[in-house]
Amino acid sequence: DAGVIQSPRHEVTEMGQEVTLRCKPISGHNSLFWYRQTMMRGLELLIYFNNNVPIDDSGMPEDRFSAKMPNASFSTLKIQPSEPRDSAVYFCASSLVSGANVLTFGAGSRLTVL
Amino acid sequence: QKEVEQNSGPLSVPEGAIASLNCTYSDRGSQSFFWYRQYSGKSPELIMFIYSNGDKEDGRFTAQLNKASQYVSLLIRDSQPSDSATYLCAVRGNSGYALNFGKGTSLLVTP
Repeated sequence: DAGVIQSPRHEVTEMGQEVTLRCKPISGHNSLFWYRQTMMRGLELLIYFNNNVPIDDSGMPEDRFSAKMPNASFSTLKIQPSEPRDSAVYFCASSLVSGANVLTFGAGSRLTVL
Repeated sequence: QKEVEQNSGPLSVPEGAIASLNCTYSDRGSQSFFWYRQYSGKSPELIMFIYSNGDKEDGRFTAQLNKASQYVSLLIRDSQPSDSATYLCAVRGNSGYALNFGKGTSLLVTP
């Protein structure tokens, strides 16, 4: 399996622009998670889906952030408008909700908002 | 907010020594506990997980769990320079699928 695939790997944009991050989970996994990592706050859960349905979005910072999972093999995290404080590494992870239910992470998308 | 606390380090140990990494958590209802390793600029990767009180061994790694004390630790035996990384403790509560992560402990193994 190719693992969790994220794109883009790096994104540099200017304040006010729209940013869309993409994720393809591992085939067969039924849960998908979006995390954000910064030096100050560590890894923070933004939102997670189970069977394509958002279960908990309490970690989404504000209305500028939105996430969708239109099907089992694709999810997006959108920031509109972006702000410099959104600069971080955004990780997508997926898991199979059975047994150990281990999260497998993608390589991450490093976002810089100028 | 359920807290997962780790000493940020850096923890420096000589090659061949035992590295001991510690983690405490606030949610007494937590069910499962994970250790991830993260190299600089890379994504977290699973080392091992533990559910039950006591020790669980996997090669050079041993996870220890004490639910009464709300404490989980990771021991790395015969530490190697390639073990130098940030180690993340993660906890899953009894009400969801997501993991709550600590901020990680930086480990440096010196030759």
